[in-house]
Amino acid sequence: KNEVEQSPQNLTAQEGEFITINCSYSVGISALHWLQQHPGGGIVSLFMLSSGKKKHGRLIATINIQEKHSSLHITASHPRDSAVYICAVRDGETSGSRLTFGEGTQLTVNP
Amino acid sequence: KAGVTQTPRYLIKTRGQQVTLSCSPISGHRSVSWYQQTPGQGLQFLFEYFSETQRNKGNFPGRFSGRQFSNSRSEMNVSTLELGDSALYLCASSSWTGPGFEQYFGPGTRLTVT
Repeated sequence: KNEVEQSPQNLTAQEGEFITINCSYSVGISALHWLQQHPGGGIVSLFMLSSGKKKHGRLIATINIQEKHSSLHITASHPRDSAVYICAVRDGETSGSRLTFGEGTQLTVNP
Repeated sequence: KAGVTQTPRYLIKTRGQQVTLSCSPISGHRSVSWYQQTPGQGLQFLFEYFSETQRNKGNFPGRFSGRQFSNSRSEMNVSTLELGDSALYLCASSSWTGPGFEQYFGPGTRLTVT
């Protein structure tokens, strides 16, 4: 069993739909990251959170530390949101910036 | 501030050769991490350097090594290349933003081993 698991692996939506991607982890963490990777490889950090909820534009990330679960929501999805979304955690025992990653969710938003 | 840069962006090598990849972090960042991304294994942590010292190391064979210079630029080296080393190699520089490190990824170096 992977330390970080995401669901679904693939997601296809129509423009305007509300999207949720889930992440569950099995270790104690100090922070959880949501990353976005477009074709070509570049990775952009969307959120880093350790509790509660964060919002940036149409993106919302939540985390429940007790349940070891986080969700990434995209409201009013758009074709430009098509990308791979990756959940990553920083182990609470580590002294550095080392991350452990989920397998990613491939999101396709059709016009 | 300029972003994280990686050179070269693309590389083709033959089995048995060695390769050196370079990463220049965001100015002021002292931590640089390296990651390998393959279709089969996803993203995996290679190692992290902080102020010229290796702070963390992932579960990779000794053929994978790295170093960091006094200006925080980092290099990673892979010796005796194998076909399975074909991957996208990403580096990230980070800054402490409690409770974690905000990470900024470079564009990656795509290595193909033939």
